[in-house]
Amino acid sequence: RKEVEQDPGPFNVPEGATVAFNCTYSNSASQSFFWYRQDCRKEPKLLMSVYSSGNEDGRFTAQLNRASQYISLLIRDSKLSDSATYLCVVNRQGSYIPTFGRGTSLIVHP
Amino acid sequence: SAVISQKPSRDICQRGTSLTIQCQVDSQVTMMFWYRQQPGQSLTLIATANQGSEATYESGFVIDKFPISRPNLTFSTLTVSNMSPEDSSIYLCSVHDRGAGANVLTFGAGSRLTVL
Repeated sequence: RKEVEQDPGPFNVPEGATVAFNCTYSNSASQSFFWYRQDCRKEPKLLMSVYSSGNEDGRFTAQLNRASQYISLLIRDSKLSDSATYLCVVNRQGSYIPTFGRGTSLIVHP
Repeated sequence: SAVISQKPSRDICQRGTSLTIQCQVDSQVTMMFWYRQQPGQSLTLIATANQGSEATYESGFVIDKFPISRPNLTFSTLTVSNMSPEDSSIYLCSVHDRGAGANVLTFGAGSRLTVL
């Protein structure tokens, strides 16, 4: 089983839709969780950290479920500019090296 | 956030040759990380480069194939040696972005390598 698993998609949604991605991790000792965004032919960039209490940044909401070992990303009111690959990233406790999921592709169409 | 300059941004190389990728950071950092991203795949860590010591390689990557230099706290190079078409990939350097929080990475723009 891969350490971090994501549905690669693509998720194809119309503008204005709400879309959610899940990511599961296998190591229960994982400590830090992130969502990165990667645009086509660009480097990954941090979208948001995921805290135990969940966090929200505008249209984006991230949540952590430690019992079931998954994190989620919810995007409300999708924009065309949200089209990208969303990478789930997990750090084990005590490790400074993150493990990346293969990403979930989102396509927002008019 | 740290600003990373990486070059070349892309290159097309012949089989059997070697290519050196450079990564320059605008601030001093302890560790620099080199990643590979093959088409449609996740990022895979090649090695961690520390100033003043040999790089630490991940399983499946060896120094003879991917020699790394780290002459100071702002610069590193990764060489892809004796290239084959299987080495065609995007190579990215990254550093911890302390301003964004613990364990957050900032990446260079990547070097897209095509081996013929």
